[in-house]
Amino acid sequence: GENVEQHPSTLSVQEGDSAVIKCTYSDSASNYFPWYKQELGKGPQLIIDIRSNVGEKKDQRIAVTLNKTAKHFSLHITETQPEDSAVYFCAASIFAGKSTFGDGTTLTVKP
Amino acid sequence: IAGITQAPTSQILAAGRRMTLRCTQDMRHNAMYWYRQDLGLGLRLIHYSNTAGTTGKGEVPDGYSVSRANTDDFPLTLASAVPSQTSVYFCASSEEGHGYTFGSGTRLTVV
Repeated sequence: GENVEQHPSTLSVQEGDSAVIKCTYSDSASNYFPWYKQELGKGPQLIIDIRSNVGEKKDQRIAVTLNKTAKHFSLHITETQPEDSAVYFCAASIFAGKSTFGDGTTLTVKP
Repeated sequence: IAGITQAPTSQILAAGRRMTLRCTQDMRHNAMYWYRQDLGLGLRLIHYSNTAGTTGKGEVPDGYSVSRANTDDFPLTLASAVPSQTSVYFCASSEEGHGYTFGSGTRLTVV
């Protein structure tokens, strides 16, 4: 089955700096890669996704890049703000079916 | 408000007892999922359903069962709870080709 590895497990940045979280996947058939943000005491929330026919996607301060050949994808957050502090999960699936998740990255943005 | 409703929000359960976690969605999504979230282990798939009347096993199905009698409801049953089933349980649904919408979770403690 699919295996998704996520790094780093914790990340601390100063407000205004950029944050990058990286994931690798094992199944070359995977073609849908979403990212979720989980705030304390809540369920994960989809923040951005990318499909295998696209190399990069941006939405305001967040962007995701995908390298199909290397089987890795990354989340980039620019101009970080304290409200970006949360746990972020990457995931991989085939045609957005059942997803395999990474173990999560706890991002702390220090004011 | 459209979304997923999970009940109860938290529960303390004696080992050996039977319990059903409820999940209802009002978005008419065909696919529904149950994940458990444990510290350091991310989100692991327990069971899923691609459409009403069908179910499938995920990564960690032992000790759990599900049913999908209609589109909206996807209950998860623990037949005889054990302490290792202490976890936070998330129900999710998805529209074909899109990411998940998660519920707020059920925090279960088995003592």
